[in-house]
Amino acid sequence: GDSVTQTEGQVALSEEDFLTIHCNYSASGYPTLFWYVQYPGEGPQLLFRASRDKEKGSSRGFEATYDKGTTSFHLRKASVQESDSAVYYCALRGNYNQGKLIFGQGTKLSIKP
Amino acid sequence: DAGVTQTPRHEVAEKGQTIILKCEPVSGHNDLFWYRQTKIQGLELLSYFRSKSLMEDGGAFKDRFKAEMLNSSFSTLKIQPTEPKDSAVYLCASSLGTGVRGTQYFGPGTRLLVL
Repeated sequence: GDSVTQTEGQVALSEEDFLTIHCNYSASGYPTLFWYVQYPGEGPQLLFRASRDKEKGSSRGFEATYDKGTTSFHLRKASVQESDSAVYYCALRGNYNQGKLIFGQGTKLSIKP
Repeated sequence: DAGVTQTPRHEVAEKGQTIILKCEPVSGHNDLFWYRQTKIQGLELLSYFRSKSLMEDGGAFKDRFKAEMLNSSFSTLKIQPTEPKDSAVYLCASSLGTGVRGTQYFGPGTRLLVL
């Protein structure tokens, strides 16, 4: 079945560091890919999505590019801030999954001031 | 527009009790999802409704978990009987459907503690 793998369970950085969170997926065809962010005490909220090869999604300085060749959708940000501390989830919606999302395990990002 | 509403925000139950969690989706959304979130397992899908019809009922959760959509704007998740391993955050989400409208909007969750 379809799956999403996030390599990093936790990431600790200092302010202004460069961030990469790796996301690889397994699915047939062209799934829609998502990044969600979850702050403490809240539900996940959409950062952005992409549905075509080479499409770049971006929001609030975060970005990721859909790469069908490497089946990846890595999240990047050039300069993180303390307010970016949160849990980040990569997810996919397959062609045949109707509305269902498959989530990765999540990556907890901690930023030291 | 109001987002997804979940009540209660916190629930404490004794082992063996029946608890009912409530969710109101975003107005006009026709897909509704219930998830369980734990540190170990992450986000697990419990149930998925489309236009009030049950599309998926998570296999591992069938025996004690029952989700219902009483109408297009209200859903419940019943856990009966509760066990300590059910302690988790229960999230409800809704969406307009598939395609670019298929973004899921999540509620704040209900944090359940079973003693």
